[in-house]
Amino acid sequence: DIQMTQSPSSLSASVGDRVTITCRASQGISNYLAWFQQKPGKAPKSLIYAASSLQSGVPSKFSGSGSGTHFTLTISSLQPEDFATYYCQQYNTYPLTFGGGTKVEI
Amino acid sequence: QVQLVESGGGVVQPGRSLRLSCAASGFTFSSYAMHWVRQAPGKGLEWVAVMAFDGSNKFHADSVKGRFTISRDNSKNTLYLQMNSLRPEDTAVYYCARGPLLYCSGGSCYYGMDVWGQGTTVTVSS
Repeated sequence: DIQMTQSPSSLSASVGDRVTITCRASQGISNYLAWFQQKPGKAPKSLIYAASSLQSGVPSKFSGSGSGTHFTLTISSLQPEDFATYYCQQYNTYPLTFGGGTKVEI
Repeated sequence: QVQLVESGGGVVQPGRSLRLSCAASGFTFSSYAMHWVRQAPGKGLEWVAVMAFDGSNKFHADSVKGRFTISRDNSKNTLYLQMNSLRPEDTAVYYCARGPLLYCSGGSCYYGMDVWGQGTTVTVSS
Protein backbone atom coordinates (compact mmCIF):
# COMPACT_ATOMS: atom_id res chain seq x y z
CA ASP A 1 0.00 0.00 0.00
CA ILE A 2 1.09 3.59 -0.60
CA GLN A 3 1.68 5.45 2.67
CA MET A 4 0.81 9.13 2.80
CA THR A 5 2.62 11.22 5.42
CA GLN A 6 1.49 14.73 6.26
CA SER A 7 3.48 17.34 8.12
CA PRO A 8 3.04 18.97 10.43
CA SER A 9 0.32 17.02 12.23
CA SER A 10 -0.88 20.29 13.70
CA LEU A 11 -0.02 23.95 13.46
CA SER A 12 -1.03 27.19 15.09
CA ALA A 13 -1.58 30.23 12.91
CA SER A 14 -3.24 33.62 12.92
CA VAL A 15 -5.84 35.18 10.68
CA GLY A 16 -4.09 36.52 7.60
CA ASP A 17 -1.18 34.08 7.77
CA ARG A 18 0.04 32.10 4.78
CA VAL A 19 0.00 28.41 5.67
CA THR A 20 1.64 25.49 3.88
CA ILE A 21 0.94 21.80 4.57
CA THR A 22 3.15 19.06 3.16
CA CYS A 23 2.14 15.58 2.02
CA ARG A 24 4.64 12.91 1.03
CA ALA A 25 3.89 9.62 -0.71
CA SER A 26 5.90 6.46 -0.03
CA GLN A 27 6.27 6.00 -3.78
CA GLY A 28 5.68 8.11 -6.87
CA ILE A 29 2.03 8.87 -7.56
CA SER A 30 2.39 11.30 -10.48
CA ASN A 31 -0.17 14.05 -9.77
CA TYR A 32 -2.87 11.69 -8.55
CA LEU A 33 -3.45 13.52 -5.29
CA ALA A 34 -6.48 15.18 -3.69
CA TRP A 35 -6.90 17.47 -0.69
CA PHE A 36 -9.87 17.63 1.68
CA GLN A 37 -10.93 19.96 4.48
CA GLN A 38 -12.88 18.71 7.49
CA LYS A 39 -14.40 20.77 10.27
CA PRO A 40 -15.35 19.21 13.62
CA GLY A 41 -18.49 17.11 13.42
CA LYS A 42 -18.83 17.67 9.69
CA ALA A 43 -18.23 15.63 6.56
CA PRO A 44 -15.02 16.23 4.60
CA LYS A 45 -15.13 18.73 1.76
CA SER A 46 -13.20 18.32 -1.48
CA LEU A 47 -10.74 21.14 -2.17
CA ILE A 48 -8.29 20.00 -4.82
CA TYR A 49 -7.78 17.08 -7.20
CA ALA A 50 -4.97 16.24 -9.63
CA ALA A 51 -2.60 17.91 -7.15
CA SER A 52 -3.41 21.45 -8.25
CA SER A 53 -6.92 21.62 -9.77
CA LEU A 54 -9.39 23.51 -7.63
CA GLN A 55 -12.76 21.87 -7.07
CA SER A 56 -15.69 23.95 -8.29
CA GLY A 57 -16.67 26.61 -5.78
CA VAL A 58 -13.44 26.45 -3.76
CA PRO A 59 -11.89 29.88 -3.26
CA SER A 60 -8.62 30.66 -4.98
CA LYS A 61 -6.85 31.26 -1.66
CA PHE A 62 -6.36 27.48 -1.69
CA SER A 63 -3.67 26.16 -3.99
CA GLY A 64 -1.92 22.84 -4.44
CA SER A 65 1.31 21.84 -6.06
CA GLY A 66 3.68 18.94 -6.48
CA SER A 67 4.10 15.67 -8.29
CA GLY A 68 5.80 12.36 -7.72
CA THR A 69 6.21 12.03 -3.96
CA HIS A 70 6.11 15.59 -2.62
CA PHE A 71 3.00 17.77 -2.49
CA THR A 72 1.89 20.94 -0.76
CA LEU A 73 -1.39 22.66 0.07
CA THR A 74 -1.15 26.40 0.62
CA ILE A 75 -3.75 28.74 2.09
CA SER A 76 -2.71 32.23 1.05
CA SER A 77 -4.45 34.26 3.77
CA LEU A 78 -5.98 32.27 6.60
CA GLN A 79 -9.50 33.24 7.55
CA PRO A 80 -11.54 32.11 10.58
CA GLU A 81 -13.51 29.62 8.45
CA ASP A 82 -10.27 27.90 7.37
CA PHE A 83 -9.47 26.54 10.81
CA ALA A 84 -10.01 22.83 10.24
CA THR A 85 -8.21 19.55 9.61
CA TYR A 86 -6.79 18.94 6.15
CA TYR A 87 -6.18 15.54 4.55
CA CYS A 88 -4.32 14.48 1.44
CA GLN A 89 -5.33 11.33 -0.45
CA GLN A 90 -3.68 9.39 -3.27
CA TYR A 91 -5.56 7.76 -6.10
CA ASN A 92 -2.60 6.31 -7.99
CA THR A 93 -3.21 2.77 -6.81
CA TYR A 94 -5.79 0.77 -4.91
CA PRO A 95 -6.23 0.73 -1.99
CA LEU A 96 -6.80 4.47 -1.88
CA THR A 97 -5.03 5.97 1.12
CA PHE A 98 -5.26 9.18 3.13
CA GLY A 99 -2.64 11.07 5.05
CA GLY A 100 -3.02 11.30 8.79
CA GLY A 101 -4.32 14.87 8.69
CA THR A 102 -3.05 18.33 9.61
CA LYS A 103 -5.03 20.28 12.17
CA VAL A 104 -4.87 24.04 11.63
CA GLU A 105 -5.62 25.85 14.87
CA ILE A 106 -5.77 29.44 15.98
CA GLN B 1 -29.19 20.29 -5.19
CA VAL B 2 -26.76 17.41 -5.10
CA GLN B 3 -27.34 15.43 -1.93
CA LEU B 4 -26.22 12.17 -0.36
CA VAL B 5 -27.98 10.85 2.73
CA GLU B 6 -26.62 7.85 4.63
CA SER B 7 -28.73 5.66 6.89
CA GLY B 8 -28.68 2.29 8.58
CA GLY B 9 -26.09 2.92 11.28
CA GLY B 10 -26.57 1.88 14.87
CA VAL B 11 -25.21 -0.18 17.74
CA VAL B 12 -24.49 -3.81 16.93
CA GLN B 13 -22.75 -6.66 18.73
CA PRO B 14 -19.46 -8.07 17.45
CA GLY B 15 -19.96 -10.73 14.82
CA ARG B 16 -23.33 -9.38 13.71
CA SER B 17 -24.29 -7.71 10.44
CA LEU B 18 -25.53 -4.32 9.34
CA ARG B 19 -26.43 -2.79 5.98
CA LEU B 20 -25.82 0.88 5.30
CA SER B 21 -27.62 2.83 2.59
CA CYS B 22 -26.76 6.04 0.79
CA ALA B 23 -29.62 7.75 -1.02
CA ALA B 24 -28.57 10.08 -3.82
CA SER B 25 -30.50 12.96 -5.33
CA GLY B 26 -29.90 16.02 -7.51
CA PHE B 27 -27.63 14.31 -10.04
CA THR B 28 -27.58 11.35 -12.42
CA PHE B 29 -26.59 8.63 -9.97
CA SER B 30 -25.97 6.05 -12.68
CA SER B 31 -23.24 8.22 -14.21
CA TYR B 32 -20.97 8.23 -11.16
CA ALA B 33 -18.88 5.79 -9.21
CA MET B 34 -19.52 5.83 -5.48
CA HIS B 35 -17.24 5.39 -2.45
CA TRP B 36 -17.60 4.48 1.20
CA VAL B 37 -15.12 6.15 3.57
CA ARG B 38 -15.07 5.77 7.35
CA GLN B 39 -13.66 7.65 10.30
CA ALA B 40 -13.12 6.03 13.68
CA PRO B 41 -13.70 8.26 16.72
CA GLY B 42 -10.92 10.84 16.96
CA LYS B 43 -9.06 9.33 14.01
CA GLY B 44 -8.41 10.14 10.37
CA LEU B 45 -10.19 9.11 7.20
CA GLU B 46 -10.03 5.53 5.90
CA TRP B 47 -11.23 4.56 2.44
CA VAL B 48 -13.45 1.45 2.56
CA ALA B 49 -14.72 0.64 -0.93
CA VAL B 50 -15.64 1.96 -4.36
CA MET B 51 -18.01 0.77 -7.06
CA ALA B 52 -18.03 1.88 -10.69
CA PHE B 53 -21.06 3.73 -12.10
CA ASP B 54 -22.55 0.57 -13.61
CA GLY B 55 -21.44 -1.86 -10.92
CA SER B 56 -18.97 -3.48 -13.30
CA ASN B 57 -15.99 -2.94 -11.03
CA LYS B 58 -15.48 -2.66 -7.32
CA PHE B 59 -12.59 -2.55 -4.88
CA HIS B 60 -12.48 -2.99 -1.13
CA ALA B 61 -9.87 -2.09 1.46
CA ASP B 62 -7.94 -5.06 2.84
CA SER B 63 -9.28 -4.31 6.32
CA VAL B 64 -12.84 -5.13 5.19
CA LYS B 65 -12.26 -7.55 2.31
CA GLY B 66 -14.33 -10.70 2.71
CA ARG B 67 -16.55 -9.07 5.36
CA PHE B 68 -17.97 -5.94 3.69
CA THR B 69 -19.56 -5.73 0.23
CA ILE B 70 -20.38 -2.59 -1.69
CA SER B 71 -23.33 -2.64 -4.07
CA ARG B 72 -25.72 -0.26 -5.77
CA ASP B 73 -29.20 -0.09 -7.25
CA ASN B 74 -29.24 2.53 -9.99
CA SER B 75 -33.03 2.23 -10.34
CA LYS B 76 -33.33 3.40 -6.73
CA ASN B 77 -30.43 5.87 -6.78
CA THR B 78 -29.01 4.09 -3.77
CA LEU B 79 -25.61 2.79 -2.71
CA TYR B 80 -25.22 0.06 -0.10
CA LEU B 81 -22.58 -1.35 2.20
CA GLN B 82 -23.29 -4.80 3.57
CA MET B 83 -21.17 -5.28 6.68
CA ASN B 84 -20.82 -8.80 8.08
CA SER B 85 -18.74 -10.21 10.91
CA LEU B 86 -18.46 -6.78 12.47
CA ARG B 87 -15.58 -6.06 14.84
CA PRO B 88 -15.11 -3.36 17.47
CA GLU B 89 -12.50 -1.75 15.21
CA ASP B 90 -15.22 -1.17 12.61
CA THR B 91 -16.75 1.44 14.93
CA ALA B 92 -16.77 4.66 12.92
CA VAL B 93 -18.77 7.27 11.10
CA TYR B 94 -19.37 5.94 7.60
CA TYR B 95 -19.60 8.41 4.74
CA CYS B 96 -20.60 7.87 1.15
CA ALA B 97 -19.03 10.07 -1.50
CA ARG B 98 -19.70 10.65 -5.17
CA GLY B 99 -16.90 9.55 -7.46
CA PRO B 100 -16.35 11.40 -10.73
CA LEU B 101 -14.02 9.55 -13.07
CA LEU B 102 -10.49 10.95 -12.92
CA TYR B 103 -8.50 8.49 -15.03
CA CYS B 104 -8.06 4.87 -16.05
CA SER B 105 -4.78 2.98 -16.22
CA GLY B 106 -3.68 -0.62 -16.26
CA GLY B 107 -7.22 -1.91 -16.39
CA SER B 108 -8.36 0.03 -13.32
CA CYS B 109 -10.23 3.31 -13.11
CA TYR B 110 -9.86 5.89 -10.38
CA TYR B 111 -12.49 8.21 -9.06
CA GLY B 112 -12.54 11.42 -7.05
CA MET B 113 -14.67 12.17 -3.99
CA ASP B 114 -16.35 15.46 -4.81
CA VAL B 115 -19.59 15.35 -2.79
CA TRP B 116 -20.00 13.71 0.61
CA GLY B 117 -22.95 12.72 2.73
CA GLN B 118 -23.30 13.71 6.38
CA GLY B 119 -22.37 10.23 7.60
CA THR B 120 -23.99 7.49 9.66
CA THR B 121 -22.51 6.15 12.90
CA VAL B 122 -21.80 2.47 13.43
CA THR B 123 -20.86 1.28 16.90
CA VAL B 124 -19.75 -2.32 17.37
CA SER B 125 -19.90 -3.24 21.03
CA SER B 126 -21.14 -5.99 23.28
